[in-house]
Amino acid sequence: AQSVAQPEDQVNVAEGNPLTVKCTYSVSGNPYLFWYVQYPNRGLQFLLKYITGDNLVKGSYGFEAEFNKSQTSFHLKKPSALVSDSALYFCAVRGLNQKLVFGTGTRLLVSP
Amino acid sequence: EAGVAQSPRYKIIEKRQSVAFWCNPISGHATLYWYQQILGQGPKLLIQFQNNGVVDDSQLPKDRFSAERLKGVDSTLKIQPAKLEDSAVYLCASNQLTGLNTEAFFGQGTRLTVV
Repeated sequence: AQSVAQPEDQVNVAEGNPLTVKCTYSVSGNPYLFWYVQYPNRGLQFLLKYITGDNLVKGSYGFEAEFNKSQTSFHLKKPSALVSDSALYFCAVRGLNQKLVFGTGTRLLVSP
Repeated sequence: EAGVAQSPRYKIIEKRQSVAFWCNPISGHATLYWYQQILGQGPKLLIQFQNNGVVDDSQLPKDRFSAERLKGVDSTLKIQPAKLEDSAVYLCASNQLTGLNTEAFFGQGTRLTVV
């Protein structure tokens, strides 16, 4: 069965600084990896995905993620954080059974 | 393109009552998911449909939860009887049946409070 770990409950960063939100995964076969963002009282919004190809994936709102097969990681990054990026971020993995499994989430807090 | 529609947005019920949630996925999306998100936790998959068939319901508490997707389009999730620990946001999502690489789109969720 596939699983996702997000080791940090919260990440704090100052506006303008780079940010990283960590994710590691476990899945049989090739990984299909996703990042979603959740704002208060809203559903999850898709940010980006890794399927195959380049290890650096670019997504919405200036976010990107780096896939590392040897470390089974898929960390979310952004070169310059905005206060409006403050939200809850979820990493997810899909396995061969089509099941989409989420991590526990990381709260990103960007201070002015 | 219309998104995933869910209703109601909020529901408050007493324990032991029953409740139903409705979801209309994006048109043409064959796969439909119901997730339970308890405050402070990640979404937990309850049931996954492919058209009107169940792909996975291993984490659905079948003694009290049921779900159906009769015509392979919209879906209902029911809880009967509700318990206090069922208080959560229930999220519906859908994606196209074109492989493992398609992203799922989520509705805004139904926030259930059981008192």
